[in-house]
Amino acid sequence: RKEVEQDPGPFNVPEGATVAFNCTYSNSASQSFFWYRQDCRKEPKLLMSVYSSGNEDGRFTAQLNRASQYISLLIRDSKLSDSATYLCVGTSGSARQLTFGSGTQLTVLP
Amino acid sequence: EPEVTQTPSHQVTQMGQEVILRCVPISNHLYFYWYRQILGQKVEFLVSFYNNEISEKSEIFDDQFSVERPDGSNFTLKIRSTKLEDSAMYFCATTSGRNYEQYFGPGTRLTVT
Repeated sequence: RKEVEQDPGPFNVPEGATVAFNCTYSNSASQSFFWYRQDCRKEPKLLMSVYSSGNEDGRFTAQLNRASQYISLLIRDSKLSDSATYLCVGTSGSARQLTFGSGTQLTVLP
Repeated sequence: EPEVTQTPSHQVTQMGQEVILRCVPISNHLYFYWYRQILGQKVEFLVSFYNNEISEKSEIFDDQFSVERPDGSNFTLKIRSTKLEDSAMYFCATTSGRNYEQYFGPGTRLTVT
């Protein structure tokens, strides 16, 4: 079983749409979770940390449900520049190394 | 804004050759990591480094790989005898430890022929 699982997509949405990504994780010992975005052939860029209480950063809202081992990301009023692959990431191990999902590809269409 | 930098951006090498990939972490960061991403696949953890020693490593990080911090600023990944399957993007990442948010460098694309 994959440690972090995401729907690969692709998600093709019009500008201005709201889009939601989901992710599940199998390692209940994972301490921290993040959403990263990755543009084609570039490095992953930290989008936001994910907390059980939920957190919001502008148009982006992330939520963690530890009981269900489920993480979500909501993007409101999507922009063309939001087109990227969104990576669900958890930490594990004493070094808090990152375990990545395979990513969900988003294309925002004009 | 401070950034992680990596050199070279692209390295082409022949099978069996040694390569050294370099990273300059963000200056106040204490924890360093190497990850790799084979084309079309997900990002995979290789090794973590803290207080001048390896803290964790994955199954990928075998005897062909080594890391060091030779001069207090650079953080290097050495592959002793490259194989075709080592072709990938190699990313360095660093964190201060606060929230363990890791910041990635732009990567080195390694092509083994």
